[in-house]
Amino acid sequence: DAGITQSPRHKVTETGTPVTLRCHQTENHRYMYWYRQDPGHGLRLIHYSYGVKDTDKGEVSDGYSVSRSKTEDFLLTLESATSSQTSVYFCAISEGRTSKLDEQFFGPGTRLTVL
Amino acid sequence: AQRVTQPEKLLSVFKGAPVELKCNYSYSGSPELFWYVQYSRQRLQLLLRHISRESIKGFTADLNKGETSFHLKKPFAQEEDSAMYYCALGNTDKLIFGTGTRLQVFP
Repeated sequence: DAGITQSPRHKVTETGTPVTLRCHQTENHRYMYWYRQDPGHGLRLIHYSYGVKDTDKGEVSDGYSVSRSKTEDFLLTLESATSSQTSVYFCAISEGRTSKLDEQFFGPGTRLTVL
Repeated sequence: AQRVTQPEKLLSVFKGAPVELKCNYSYSGSPELFWYVQYSRQRLQLLLRHISRESIKGFTADLNKGETSFHLKKPFAQEEDSAMYYCALGNTDKLIFGTGTRLQVFP
């Protein structure tokens, strides 16, 4: 597995509380992505980053914010969690040097439950 | 709008049978297409991409621009092929994934 870790791996929280998920890479890859995986919806892109402090929205960005202050860390924050944000969250990285569409390598996922 | 459609949620076959997982896309431009796979208790990983035109684990996929399809095929399914398969479309520097097809191969 590429050097990608996600923390926490599991989290249960209550509606209205803030939640931050962390993605950490040791590959020095340029691109980092946050997806959510839901039955019937597949993987949907939340936000992504193409460099330190450079981020952009994905398909389902409402209710989420991100930050990337270092190459190796990409944080996903739910400012006020809702039950609709119960999901499995995946981080992915790609090198982005030879092609903007280099292979993406995925983390192990974080299972988030919002009660 | 760019979109990827995988019409089958579940595909069940017996070992040794041919497999075809369907993928259709809509994209205004020259598409880049991928198949990713998630085996049980493993991370999602790239299976193949159309520009490499290679066969991985016996799987092939041909881009058909006329039919806007990128179906994944294997002539003889194996039990270890059981997994979740996602078709993905490249859109500048990100991917659009389909909803996925779960392949079950029975002995």
